[in-house]
Amino acid sequence: DIQMTQSPSSLSASVGDRVTITCRSSQSISNYLNWYHQRPGKAPKLLISAASRLQSGVPSRFSGSGSGTEFTLTISSLQPEDFATYYCQQSISTPLTFGGGTKVEIK
Amino acid sequence: QVQLQESGPGLVKPSETLSLTCSVSGSSISHYYWSWIRQPPGKGLEWIGYIYYSGSTNYNPSLKSRVTISVDTSKNHFSLKLSSVTAADTALYYCARGGITMDPWFDPWGQGTLVTVSS
Repeated sequence: DIQMTQSPSSLSASVGDRVTITCRSSQSISNYLNWYHQRPGKAPKLLISAASRLQSGVPSRFSGSGSGTEFTLTISSLQPEDFATYYCQQSISTPLTFGGGTKVEIK
Repeated sequence: QVQLQESGPGLVKPSETLSLTCSVSGSSISHYYWSWIRQPPGKGLEWIGYIYYSGSTNYNPSLKSRVTISVDTSKNHFSLKLSSVTAADTALYYCARGGITMDPWFDPWGQGTLVTVSS
């Protein structure tokens, strides 16, 4: 199984801050990496697919980069609605696996 | 707009079988992969398995011996059965479109349904 490791597991930030979340895979996954966010009590929502492809309707303050084994999700200017838990997920091979999540909290 | 809706019992007794259905609207179930994913309370996400509209399946090895996913194209829905459940199977269960190959991501997701395993 491919293990996905996110860091940090949680962070505190203020509105307007730049936030970066890292996701590492236990073996190369090319760009088969997706990012989701999950607000409390809601289902996860796809933000970015194929490491860097922003989904339709997702604000441009979100961006993704990386390939191989290291990936980043960046929020350029944190907004109140961005306080949530973020998950990465690999889709190159089964079993499909998720990172443990990064909870972004209000400072 | 594609929408998914999970349905099924919210309470299942230990050793019994959990059964859920995901109804798809706004899209034909044909020509896509469809997945089940679960999330224990306060924890992370675990992929359970996926089914292609043709009926081919792929399950997480950690659950494979207990999982069956099926599809009914005439009703535009797919289903999950998980046998011999224990308290460890208590979770929010989500259905989602996608999985691998043509749709190597999960989008959209259903709202989720909480299943509690308890006597």
